[in-house]
Amino acid sequence: QQQVKQSPQSLIVQKGGISIINCAYENTAFDYFPWYQQFPGKGPALLIAIRPDVSEKKEGRFTISFNKSAKQFSLHIMDSQPGDSATYFCAASKRANNLFFGTGTRLTVIP
Amino acid sequence: DGGITQSPKYLFRKEGQNVTLSCEQNLNHDAMYWYRQDPGQGLRLIYYSQIVNDFQKGDIAEGYSVSREKKESFPLTVTSAQKNPTAFYLCASSRTVDYSNQPQHFGDGTRLSIL
Repeated sequence: QQQVKQSPQSLIVQKGGISIINCAYENTAFDYFPWYQQFPGKGPALLIAIRPDVSEKKEGRFTISFNKSAKQFSLHIMDSQPGDSATYFCAASKRANNLFFGTGTRLTVIP
Repeated sequence: DGGITQSPKYLFRKEGQNVTLSCEQNLNHDAMYWYRQDPGQGLRLIYYSQIVNDFQKGDIAEGYSVSREKKESFPLTVTSAQKNPTAFYLCASSRTVDYSNQPQHFGDGTRLSIL
């Protein structure tokens, strides 16, 4: 079964708007939650990651919000730009074990 | 530049044929991985290797085989037993298998199709 559930499948946002992608997990043993960004024809690249001991992590325009009790985490992209148009994957793992990926969100930022 | 090189970029397989996908890294990473990416399914782990001459099955290893004779190389063979091989295959590496501290770096993939 899908270890990490991601939504929405696709997202269209106006330039300058906020993009929000959500993920949920069941395994409470997960202790590492990365987000990857993938452009067409390329491999995914690590964007930002969080551990469950913090509720939020920010790097530039990208923020992860983490809700341990709800077993949910989300990616917020502030001031979205056309260059942010890509597919985003959340993932989760327990240290030294497999990374489980969400099914991906295709983000389109309209100029 | 350090990185992961996958070749070929596109590959076509005939019925009953085995094909091998190449993955080379010059990052001096110990751990290497193979993923399969299908539309709407995210990435699924096929095999991974923590050190030379050792590898472990992932979630969808059936119909695939790997070898790890050199630290920098981790080729994947898609055998004729894999009945649905059409997918985008991604190779990754990390300094150790504990990638909570050592993130995975990905190559640019090989797209495999059936003729």
